[in-house]
Amino acid sequence: DAKTTQPNSMESNEEEPVHLPCNHSTISGTDYIHWYRQLPSQGPEYVIHGLTSNVNNRMASLAIAEDRKSSTLILHRATLRDAAVYYCILIGGTSYGKLTFGQGTILTVHP
Amino acid sequence: DADVTQTPRNRITKTGKRIMLECSQTKGHDRMYWYRQDPGLGLRLIYYSFDVKDINKGEISDGYSVSRQAQAKFSLSLESAIPNQTALYFCAISRQGTDTQYFGPGTRLTVL
Repeated sequence: DAKTTQPNSMESNEEEPVHLPCNHSTISGTDYIHWYRQLPSQGPEYVIHGLTSNVNNRMASLAIAEDRKSSTLILHRATLRDAAVYYCILIGGTSYGKLTFGQGTILTVHP
Repeated sequence: DADVTQTPRNRITKTGKRIMLECSQTKGHDRMYWYRQDPGLGLRLIYYSFDVKDINKGEISDGYSVSRQAQAKFSLSLESAIPNQTALYFCAISRQGTDTQYFGPGTRLTVL
């Protein structure tokens, strides 16, 4: 399975945009890029996913590099509730839907 | 009501005891998963099921067993609990054709 690399931690101030990077240089053509987050004391929750084009939803935006070797999750205006561990996960045809979690990025949001 | 429920939410047990963790869902999804999470680490897949009676081993299945007797229920058993099985356990569901998983609130298991 292709691997992802994320910074261990990042910090942001409330109301400011946050860009969370993920490197996946060995991504295959059929791998989808998924992002989940885990709030303290909760199970992970789905945030967004994409294949090639940038994606937007009510929670965030996903910017995918043209060569697909990296992606960035964008939170347009961070709130205290966005403080969580963010996981970048690749899911391809041989994953059979299984999620392989790395250590993720711990996002701290300052008031 | 939550889409995925787990019982119990917390459990303390002793080494050698048999433990069963229950997961139930109300979304009618066909796929169900069990993960464990250790402090400071991401989740690791224990078992998964794509349909009733379908059982597949995940990354760390040793010491665990599962049962999927009904579409809405997926149980995880520890036949003889040991201290290094102390962890947070999460159940998740997904629908065939999509990869989005919905997670339950977790069960905190402590084995003394």
